[in-house]
Amino acid sequence: NAGVTQTPKFRVLKTGQSMTLLCAQDMNHEYMYWYRQDPGMGLRLIHYSVGEGTTAKGEVPDGYNVSRLKKQNFLLGLESAAPSQTSVYFCASSLHRDRVGYTFGSGTRLTVV
Amino acid sequence: AQSVTQLDSHVSVSEGTPVLLRCNYSSSYSPSLFWYVQHPNKGLQLLLKYTSAATLVKGINGFEAEFKKSETSFHLTKPSAHMSDAAEYFCVVTRDDKIIFGKGTRLHILP
Repeated sequence: NAGVTQTPKFRVLKTGQSMTLLCAQDMNHEYMYWYRQDPGMGLRLIHYSVGEGTTAKGEVPDGYNVSRLKKQNFLLGLESAAPSQTSVYFCASSLHRDRVGYTFGSGTRLTVV
Repeated sequence: AQSVTQLDSHVSVSEGTPVLLRCNYSSSYSPSLFWYVQHPNKGLQLLLKYTSAATLVKGINGFEAEFKKSETSFHLTKPSAHMSDAAEYFCVVTRDDKIIFGKGTRLHILP
């Protein structure tokens, strides 16, 4: 049982390049989330999904897009990377809304130069 | 609207002494509250959760937290710190589909 798997673990992009981060969970969870973590800022919600085919904006959605075509996968896309998007990105999933804990992936460290 | 405030960005304690990490929340409704721990270069691990059952919640690794509605607090404690407790700790409040993280408290353990 792998839990939540994020790929890649590390990536360096040039300004203007695009990329997709993949989050996969094998726990049949309905809810999935993408966060970014920056020093002194805690974790901030980018986008989330409450089920297959649905997505919603979080606290800091600008510059990112997401898709949830399959229940087990939640993709985070950067169409034109900017240095301000240098961060550590975490994916999380949950079976229910807010009465249980969340399982986190191990993170993706992205640097935009 | 709901929010969570971790009152200390850094806390230092000596090994073997008690740990107190403070968290205050604001929520219009009965919240679910969590504490997560993040060790260096690792993901986040759930320590404990409060979901309107017992107000004193016991978690892993000897940690516990008490939900005090009158003080809107959910402070994390441990009777005796261990070197392996050095990490960053996040207080989290959730309601409906949203998870709100505090900015984190970095716990340093002094030998």
